[in-house]
Amino acid sequence: DVVLTQTPPTLSATIGQSVSISCRSSQSLLDSDGDTYLNWLLQRPGQSPQLLIYSVSNLESGVPNRFSGSGSETDFTLKISGVEAEDLGVYYCMQATHAPLTFGSGTKLEIK
Amino acid sequence: EVQLQQSGPEVGRPGSSVKISCKASGYTFTDYVMNWVKQSPGQGLEWIGWIDPEYGSTDYAEKFKKKATLTADTSSSTAYIQLSSLTSEDTATYFCARGDGGSPRYWGQGVMVTVSS
Repeated sequence: DVVLTQTPPTLSATIGQSVSISCRSSQSLLDSDGDTYLNWLLQRPGQSPQLLIYSVSNLESGVPNRFSGSGSETDFTLKISGVEAEDLGVYYCMQATHAPLTFGSGTKLEIK
Repeated sequence: EVQLQQSGPEVGRPGSSVKISCKASGYTFTDYVMNWVKQSPGQGLEWIGWIDPEYGSTDYAEKFKKKATLTADTSSSTAYIQLSSLTSEDTATYFCARGDGGSPRYWGQGVMVTVSS
């Protein structure tokens, strides 16, 4: 199975600060169809996860553009440019290139 | 509007089975696979498997092959997961999530399953 290693496990930020979360894969997530199925999700406290970014860098509809994704092959990054209070929660990367689908262990974002 | 409405919380005795539903609305049920995801208390997300409602085909993560059974009823646009031989390890919240080309775009609200004697 593909192992996704997320760092840091926790992140504390002030409002307006920019932060980044790293997700490293144990194998390349570039699919034979040319797409890279690496997604980012946010799970706010007590809620279901929500999709933020799909296929590395595509912003999901309705998600603020302060969120951005980048990377390729095995190294990926989620950046939040100007954290807002509503951004608190746990961020997960997940891959759907290789079966079984797998998730990173999560990064908890706290607001100072 | 796409919605995935899951059934209510379940309590199951050790060794028994529970069946959870996920009713889809706002789209053509047979056009998308349905994923199921487990979240143990205070823990991260684990993919259980998916079902293609059009064909009834399924795929499971290895650790869930003897634990979970995924089915779908196209007449009611409802996906189901049955968990068998319950143990304390099965106490968790279970989510359904529509699979959009590899991206879980829409999620149900989750169902808490508690295994207790």
